[in-house]
Amino acid sequence: DAKTTQPNSMESNEEEPVHLPCNHSTISGTDYIHWYRQLPSQGPEYVIHGLTSNVNNRMASLAIAEDRKSSTLILHRATLRDAAVYYCILRSGSSNTGKLIFGQGTTLQVKP
Amino acid sequence: DTAVSQTPKYLVTQMGNDKSIKCEQNLGHDTMYWYKQDSKKFLKIMFSYNNKELIINETVPNRFSPKSPDKAHLNLHINSLELGDSAVYFCASSRVVSGGAGAQYFGPGTRLLVL
Repeated sequence: DAKTTQPNSMESNEEEPVHLPCNHSTISGTDYIHWYRQLPSQGPEYVIHGLTSNVNNRMASLAIAEDRKSSTLILHRATLRDAAVYYCILRSGSSNTGKLIFGQGTTLQVKP
Repeated sequence: DTAVSQTPKYLVTQMGNDKSIKCEQNLGHDTMYWYKQDSKKFLKIMFSYNNKELIINETVPNRFSPKSPDKAHLNLHINSLELGDSAVYFCASSRVVSGGAGAQYFGPGTRLLVL
């Protein structure tokens, strides 16, 4: 499985946009880019995923570089409730196991 | 309505005991998983079941035995508990197991402490 690299931690101010980067230089053509987050004392929560095009949903936006070697999760207006560990995960389109391989993620702190 | 539920939420027990954790999903999904999150917050897949059949066993000791009585339930039984089994165990489910798309939905976790 291709690996992802994320900063260990980031800080943001409340109500400002947050851009969480992820590098995946060894991504293959069939790998989907997934983002999950884990709020304190809770289970991981699906945020968004994409393959080649940018994606938007009610939680966030996902911007994927043209060469697909990196992506950015965008929270448009951070709230205190967005403080969590954010995981960028690659899943192969040919996978038949469904497993998610979690790295260390990025711990996002949101300051009031 | 809770999509993926686990019981119990907390479990404190002595070394050598046998315990079970239950998981239920009401999402109509075909695939269920168990993940373990250790004290360093590292999350790792343990098992995956699709339509009640085992898909993944990620080199988990034989003391751990998952059981899926039906597609909506995946229970985890642990024999002869050891100190190193102390962790948070998360159950998850997804609609399909194959392919790269599709979200997994996680339960709230069971915090196991072995004394």
